Amino acid sequence: SAVISQKPSRDICQRGTSLTIQCQVDSQVTMMFWYRQQPGQSLTLIATANQGSEATYESGFVIDKFPISRPNLTFSTLTVSNMSPEDSSIYLCSVLTGPAYEQYFGPGTRLTVT
Amino acid sequence: ILNVEQSPQSLHVQEGDSTNFTCSFPSSNFYALHWYRWETAKSPEALFVMTLNGDEKKKGRISATLNTKEGYSYLYIKGSQPEDSATYLCAPPRGGSYIPTFGRGTSLIVHP
Repeated sequence: SAVISQKPSRDICQRGTSLTIQCQVDSQVTMMFWYRQQPGQSLTLIATANQGSEATYESGFVIDKFPISRPNLTFSTLTVSNMSPEDSSIYLCSVLTGPAYEQYFGPGTRLTVT
Repeated sequence: ILNVEQSPQSLHVQEGDSTNFTCSFPSSNFYALHWYRWETAKSPEALFVMTLNGDEKKKGRISATLNTKEGYSYLYIKGSQPEDSATYLCAPPRGGSYIPTFGRGTSLIVHP
């Protein structure tokens, strides 16, 4: 199993500013992901955070808007840049680990942009 | 993009009722399907990982079955309790990868 913590747990931000969300895992994992859930929607994959190289972004998400760092196998950050109200979501860090590729999630960061 | 459908979208039941939901997905290139339970203000909790056609898994009052040939999985809750109230998500992986793709979920509310 994996225990994941995220900071901050929630924030209210002004339009046009940026917020960096941190994700810490209690063990080394290869596969780490960032998801978001907009109100009324499912979990949507933003990107796969790759250790030591650039993140792999899903269609509709770009590095300039959601820069990701992955300096080692236990830590990653997601920045939401130049925020607008449409970025109000829950952002979740997640890892796949174990022989059955079980997925574990962090507690999420609830972001409100005003 | 994998098309994952969950039904119903929401469900209200009385305490003690048994209930079930459906997850439908394309049956080709199947690797494994995950079921999660997501309570408000908490992170999604893994319930089951199902890999084989005909798989049936059980955890307490919750069980799940898998049919990879026809592309569906059922989640059953026997004797629902108010603490079962949550959104239940299914996630088959995208073809050719281990990365789960999530449905919209079924929101279950169990009334005492």
